[in-house]
Amino acid sequence: DTEVTQTPKHLVMGMTNKKSLKCEQHMGHRAMYWYKQKAKKPPELMFVYSYEKLSINESVPSRFSPECPNSSLLNLHLHALQPEDSALYLCASSQETSGGPNEQFFGPGTRLTVL
Amino acid sequence: AQKITQTQPGMFVQEKEAVTLDCTYDTSDPSYGLFWYKQPSSGEMIFLIYQGSYDQQNATEGRYSLNFQKARKSANLVISASQLGDSAMYFCAMREGAGGTSYGKLTFGQGTILTVHP
Repeated sequence: DTEVTQTPKHLVMGMTNKKSLKCEQHMGHRAMYWYKQKAKKPPELMFVYSYEKLSINESVPSRFSPECPNSSLLNLHLHALQPEDSALYLCASSQETSGGPNEQFFGPGTRLTVL
Repeated sequence: AQKITQTQPGMFVQEKEAVTLDCTYDTSDPSYGLFWYKQPSSGEMIFLIYQGSYDQQNATEGRYSLNFQKARKSANLVISASQLGDSAMYFCAMREGAGGTSYGKLTFGQGTILTVHP
């Protein structure tokens, strides 16, 4: 299984809603990532989990809250978002082996619209 | 300063012809990795090819090859025999530091939109 899955595919939420994005991988990867991507722009790193511990937070506002319940799952909890948070949210995972390419495998993304 | 530069916002190629997408990078770290990803309009980022800074030979994966010129700090992607399905956004990315210690932080270029004409 060389797949990263993300749910939901599309999400529309109001600024007062609370929602969660889910990501799952069964490749035994030990690092998982959340990215935010605006149209025609490169992905921007938000968070990195390594061995289920948060290792990088790229100064993301607290209305985004990541969670890694186990090595296969990654969640992104959303609360009180702003319209400018509308974007494609991509999850990725990678092996973390010393000397290896450790390429990141991406999921299909969740297209989020904040009204 | 930009760490990854892709100077071609858009490229056009005729089906079955080869095309080169440019990428230059900037790092003082002797250990780094360079990646190319393809992103169709559906949104998923697809890993294409990898080149490590210590690799002596240019990487190849099927119709994809990476023209790695270390002294010039360039890592151009060559797609041979273009197909209509190659139409997509292409991102060059760099990971600095030895594997296992840098937590996989990728720096992406701005991307090149490739359009393949029949």
